Amino acid sequence: SAVISQKPSRDICQRGTSLTIQCQVDSQVTMMFWYRQQPGQSLTLIATANQGSEATYESGFVIDKFPISRPNLTFSTLTVSNMSPEDSSIYLCSALGTSGVMETQYFGPGTRLLVL
Amino acid sequence: AQSVTQLDSHVSVSEGTPVLLRCNYSSSYSPSLFWYVQHPNKGLQLLLKYTSAATLVKGINGFEAEFKKSETSFHLTKPSAHMSDAAEYFCVVSDRPSGSARQLTFGSGTQLTVLP
Repeated sequence: SAVISQKPSRDICQRGTSLTIQCQVDSQVTMMFWYRQQPGQSLTLIATANQGSEATYESGFVIDKFPISRPNLTFSTLTVSNMSPEDSSIYLCSALGTSGVMETQYFGPGTRLLVL
Repeated sequence: AQSVTQLDSHVSVSEGTPVLLRCNYSSSYSPSLFWYVQHPNKGLQLLLKYTSAATLVKGINGFEAEFKKSETSFHLTKPSAHMSDAAEYFCVVSDRPSGSARQLTFGSGTQLTVLP
């Protein structure tokens, strides 16, 4: 299994600023992802974090707004740039690991972001 | 393409009575199906998963789900609800074969309330 930690756990930010969220996995994983969960809604995939190359973004998400890094197999960052109140969400890091012989997707505790 | 529909946004049961959370899916391939639980201010936790083995899947905390291909359903059940079961539950589908890039499609969630 994989245990995922995120920093910060929550933050309150001003409009126009940027916040970088860190994600650390306690074991090597094949894939890492970033999700957004807007208030009262389900999870939406932002992008797949690729090691050593540019992230793969889903429709509606762009690198300029959500730059992502993954310098090694166990660490990734997501930056929310030029924030607006509409960016207030929970941001979750996820990783694809192995539970027994099965692939399982694990999730971090999330980063609660409030933009004023 | 894949999709998942959780038929109830809110379910309320009394402690000690059965729980039924309904989920229907759509997938072009043989899907993998999951149920995740999200407690307030906590991360997502995997309850159980179906990956083309036994159609009745047993998970943690006494939950189980049955994969019914003819009905395209994967309903979550528990014989007797406990107060600690109160949380948000997400039904999730993935039609990517094991070993390939896996992307999950989340349902809209069902909020379970357990009454004393």
